Amino acid sequence: KQEVTQIPAALSVPEGENLVLNCSFTDSAIYNLQWFRQDPGKGLTSLLLIQSSQREQTSGRLNASLDKSSGRSTLYIAASQPGDSATYLCAGLNAGNNRKLIWGLGTSLAVNP
Amino acid sequence: DAMVIQNPRYQVTQFGKPVTLSCSQTLNHNVMYWYQQKSSQAPKLLFHYYDKDFNNEADTPDNFQSRRPNTSFCFLDIRSPGLGDAAMYLCATSRGIVQFFGPGTRLTVL
Repeated sequence: KQEVTQIPAALSVPEGENLVLNCSFTDSAIYNLQWFRQDPGKGLTSLLLIQSSQREQTSGRLNASLDKSSGRSTLYIAASQPGDSATYLCAGLNAGNNRKLIWGLGTSLAVNP
Repeated sequence: DAMVIQNPRYQVTQFGKPVTLSCSQTLNHNVMYWYQQKSSQAPKLLFHYYDKDFNNEADTPDNFQSRRPNTSFCFLDIRSPGLGDAAMYLCATSRGIVQFFGPGTRLTVL
């Protein structure tokens, strides 16, 4: 059972587009949501953390939102660049275990020059 | 810069030959994690240390062991690697909620 779902699985866009990556979770006990970036063959880079008391977080061209009532988080990337090409994973923390992240499978993003 | 360091970045071993992967951190975080990630899959938590307390995931095979001799270092020992253990192994640390990841070690089993 996949508790965290990311749609789409893959996305290809031309440079300069604004885009939205989606993350949905079925576990209502997920209370924090973290977005990561992973380049091919590399480790994970934490992008944004949204805690349950927050609705959104911003870092540069990235904006992440969290709607616990609908079980959704979105990562908005403004003015996409080829350097944004990577896999983006979302992961939630369950209130019953705040050290075990529950992962989505990621969205593979290609930004074409 | 404070960071999570993994050595080696690439490790090749033979089927059944024990191998040890290393992780160190300069963040002084009290929690350290080991994840296994296979191609196109999400990271899978193997175990974590909260200070010196070892926490094993229920579905982590006995073939995987870990040691944390001090705050800064944590090791992943694979006693008898099989072909199915070929993967990226990721180390992470945390003090609060946010986990910080190292660059990973790519393990190849011949």
